[in-house]
Amino acid sequence: QVQLVQPGAEVRKPGASVKLSCKASGYTFTRYYIHWVRQAPGQGLEWMGRINPSGGSTIYAQKFQGRVTMTRDTSASTVYMELSSLKSEDTAVYYCTRAGNGMDVWGQGTTVTVSS
Amino acid sequence: QAVVTQEPSLTVSPGGTVTLTCGSSTGAVTSGHYPYWFQQKPGQAPTTLIYDTSNKHSWTPARFSGSLLGGKAALTLSGAQPEDEADYYCLLSYSGAWGGVFGGGTKLTVL
Repeated sequence: QVQLVQPGAEVRKPGASVKLSCKASGYTFTRYYIHWVRQAPGQGLEWMGRINPSGGSTIYAQKFQGRVTMTRDTSASTVYMELSSLKSEDTAVYYCTRAGNGMDVWGQGTTVTVSS
Repeated sequence: QAVVTQEPSLTVSPGGTVTLTCGSSTGAVTSGHYPYWFQQKPGQAPTTLIYDTSNKHSWTPARFSGSLLGGKAALTLSGAQPEDEADYYCLLSYSGAWGGVFGGGTKLTVL
């Protein structure tokens, strides 16, 4: 079936970077954009950006520009989201979701903890 | 950047009707903002209920509907059930490219 698989958790120190993966299966990978959304503990959802897996074009939320990079590996049907210069405020659950069909599929989320 | 506003909390009686709204600091919300509505229960990933203003997924209960109302996007729940108690978020798209902004969310209580 159609699914997006994300690793469960990552821990980083302040100032480090984290590269999260989102592996797609059950559909043609290049046909649907992937968006990244995060949610800090007890807070709302925050849109981070999106990538077109076909050509690799990206759009990032202004807040994250300069600090986020979204890439894809079509041979592995996987998109990546790298966030650099991590701060404690980046502690959150990071979700990927498939667009183009009404954001019908979501990954289970990766919990990123930024702590010294 | 645009700010998207939602009611922080609402309460509805079982079997009752409630409308959640989603406004934009830039002006009226239109179909060109491609409004989305998501439901999120504690400890779970969001679930998309409505996309492109009023389109439903196969799993969206018929009691949920999306529309534009008074310059805002709206999510109406008719015949609330206890399992509808959750957080609800809207998402609007801005500019020609797909740049999204979420509202702060509405905590819906069924009581």
